[in-house]
Amino acid sequence: EIVLTQSPGTLSLSPGERATLSCRASQSVSSSYLAWYQQKPGQAPRLLIYGASSRATGIPDRFSGSGSGTDFTLTISRLEPEDFAVYYCQQYGSPPRTFGQGTKVEIK
Amino acid sequence: EVQLVESGGGLVKPGGSLRLSCAASGFTFSSYSMNWVRQAPGKGLEWVSSISSSSSYIYYADSVKGRFTISRDNAKNSLYLQMNSLRAEDTAVYYCARMGLGKAVAGTYDYWGQGTLVTVSS
Repeated sequence: EIVLTQSPGTLSLSPGERATLSCRASQSVSSSYLAWYQQKPGQAPRLLIYGASSRATGIPDRFSGSGSGTDFTLTISRLEPEDFAVYYCQQYGSPPRTFGQGTKVEIK
Repeated sequence: EVQLVESGGGLVKPGGSLRLSCAASGFTFSSYSMNWVRQAPGKGLEWVSSISSSSSYIYYADSVKGRFTISRDNAKNSLYLQMNSLRAEDTAVYYCARMGLGKAVAGTYDYWGQGTLVTVSS
């Protein structure tokens, strides 16, 4: 199974700053089938990005995804107060579909 | 509006059984593959099981294979998870999640329920 490792574990930033989250796969993710989710406390996850770089419906353009092969990045260009949350990457190119362990973006 | 509402969680003793349900509305349920994804307290997300739109294809995580059974009733717009031989490590919030439709999103989870908590403890 493909293991996804996210870094850093916690990112401490201020509103307005840029956030860069990393997701590294133990083997190549086929066809860039890599997704990103946001989860706020007490809520279900929400799909942000699919296909490594395509935004899901209704997702603001301050969220962007990039990467291919084994290295992927989620960038939040300017953090809004509602963006402080935990972010998970997920690969869906090879069964079983697996998640990373998450990166928490917290207010500095 | 797409809605997924889970029910059936609760406290159960090790070795016991529980049946989770997920009521779907706001979309053509019979056209979508569905999934169960769980999250242990304070931990990350773990895919548990998937079922195709017509129940032809069913998959399980190794951690639950032989103990859990996924099923659906398209006439009732409902998804189920029968959980037997429960262990302490099965303690988690269980989410019902719709799989994306289309090549680029098949395998993603585009809508989620709010989850139901299963606690396995003596």
